[in-house]
Formats: sequence, structure tokens, C-alpha cells
Amino acid sequence: EIVLTQSPASLSLSPGDRATLSCRANQDIGSHLAWYRQKPGQSPTLLMYDATHRATGAPDRFSGSGSGTDFTLTIRSLEPEDFAVYYCQHRSTLFTFGPGTTVDV
Amino acid sequence: QIHLLESGGGVVQPGKSLTLSCATSGFVFRTFGMHWVRQAPGQGLEWVAAIWVDGDKKYYSGSVEGRFTISRDDSRNTLYLQMNNLRVEDTAVYFCARGDFAIGAFDYWGPGSRVTVSS
Repeated sequence: EIVLTQSPASLSLSPGDRATLSCRANQDIGSHLAWYRQKPGQSPTLLMYDATHRATGAPDRFSGSGSGTDFTLTIRSLEPEDFAVYYCQHRSTLFTFGPGTTVDV
Repeated sequence: QIHLLESGGGVVQPGKSLTLSCATSGFVFRTFGMHWVRQAPGQGLEWVAAIWVDGDKKYYSGSVEGRFTISRDDSRNTLYLQMNNLRVEDTAVYFCARGDFAIGAFDYWGPGSRVTVSS
């Protein structure tokens, strides 16, 4: 069973700062990792897929890296709408989400 | 424009049943796998169930297998989740999401439907 852990659990930053979020898998998952942003009171939106590919409509300030067990989502310069919760997700036989990282002011 | 809209949520007693619907538009529904994902109050996302194209394959998380049934009506562009023997721990907002099989991710989501299981 694939288990995803995210760190840190929360991150306090300011608009314009760079944010670095981590997701770790308990076994090798190749590049099969997606990232989502969930703003308060809204449904999640897909940001990245296959670890490094930006989803349609995702701003180019978002980038992803990693493979195997360690993955990173980087937000180059935080905009007000980026203060939200971020989840990583993997698909194997079933689907797994990480516990999330909250980016707040 | 792609739209997904859940309905059917509400307050229900433990042990009872409820069926959620997800009406979709803006894409060829019958060519996509579909999913239900839930989020308990103040908690993270939990994948619940998936149904493949043609409905020939269905998958469930361990926490709902045997109690929940996912189905689809391609003539109505609608996804369903029948939830039986509901438990307090099933209380959550339930999202339907479109699955992109090629990338193994959920590329469009509905706004969610709240289900509260309480006596």
C-alpha cells in the first residue's frame, strides 16, 4: 500500500515569498504524482501531474520536481489566492492523497 | 465549459441510506472514468470510489467497500453513489471528480454535497 506524507504540515509565508512543499512516498512510485490546491470553502483544483507537468490553466509560478519517493511543489512567488491547502496524490491500483500542507499568512 | 454538480446530500441517521448524484456537462461523459472523493469536517481528502468507462470496472476504498455502490448513467451524463448502512464517520463533503486515466489524476471537480450522519 502506498502511503504519502507531506511536510511541513503548515507553512507561514507572505505574498511574494517562495514556497517549497514536500511529498514523500513509502515506496518508489516513479513520476506518478499529482498536486492539488484547495482554497478555503472550495473544491480542489489540479495543479501538476506526472510530478513535473503543469495542468491546463495552472499558473506558471507553480513547478514540480522529483521522482521515486521524494517530490517537491514550488511556488515561485506567492499570490493572495495561493494561501490554501495543498495535497499530493498518487494512483496505483487505488488512489491515495497525502494529508496536506497548509500555506498561510 | 465543463461542469459537475453534486446533489442528494443531507442529514441521515446511522444505519440509513442515501444516494448522491453528480450531473455533468461540457464533455463526453461516457468516455471518462469518474470518481467520488470525500472530505470530513476539518480533514483532508479521501478517495472513495471509481467507475471506469462503460461501468465495467468499479473500485472502492476499504472504508466503504460493501456499503457504497458507484454507478453511472451515460444516457443522462450522471454519476451516482448509493450509500448504505451509513456511519457517523461517513460524515463529509462528497465531491465527484472526472478522472484522466492517462495521468491518473482528477482534472475537474464539482463543488461538493454535504452528508451528515447523526442520530
